[in-house]
Amino acid sequence: AQKITQTQPGMFVQEKEAVTLDCTYDTSDQSYGLFWYKQPSSGEMIFLIYQGSYDEQNATEGRYSLNFQKARKSANLVISASQLGDSAMYFCAMRGGVYGGSQGNLIFGKGTKLSVKP
Amino acid sequence: NAGVTQTPKFQVLKTGQSMTLQCAQDMNHNSMYWYRQDPGMGLRLIYYSASEGTTDKGEVPNGYNVSRLNKREFSLRLESAAPSQTSVYFCASSDHPGMINSPLHFGNGTRLTVT
Repeated sequence: AQKITQTQPGMFVQEKEAVTLDCTYDTSDQSYGLFWYKQPSSGEMIFLIYQGSYDEQNATEGRYSLNFQKARKSANLVISASQLGDSAMYFCAMRGGVYGGSQGNLIFGKGTKLSVKP
Repeated sequence: NAGVTQTPKFQVLKTGQSMTLQCAQDMNHNSMYWYRQDPGMGLRLIYYSASEGTTDKGEVPNGYNVSRLNKREFSLRLESAAPSQTSVYFCASSDHPGMINSPLHFGNGTRLTVT
């Protein structure tokens, strides 16, 4: 069965420091994609970053990077130089092939609430 | 630059009432989705439509029905609302589901309370 696990319900980080949000996944699919979304208090879901299972390089998007360790089935999000505006819920999600366990749908973890302290 | 538009933004229903949540996307996406978000549960898939003319059940379909009206629109209906359906509902769309690198684009959500 496809599963995403985020073990940190809440995290605190000091402004300007880096923070890592953990995500582990379980899948029997050979080809899959991993996504991170941000949900600020206003409620919208914002796509941050994507990592493909066959990508050799870790994905980066500005201050966001994805620490992908395929053998460990982990896809941790690293936010560098935290800002107050980074305070939000963060969701890890996975999508496999249409003939795989997820049928091509996005499966979400339960999220991590990040609070950035001034 | 609308993206995915959901209506209404807020709704309060009494137990047993019915309502339809509307969703429309203007990105020419093939696939559309309905998720619900509950505290501590993440987002769970209710129904999805891989392409116009098809719909399939997701993880939590009981108590809901959907209609893919055309390529742009995908509605979610609660026939007889129950307090357990109090939640935030998100509609989303993406390119063909076979494209595993295609992110979902979300609407702003509908906050539904059933009393």
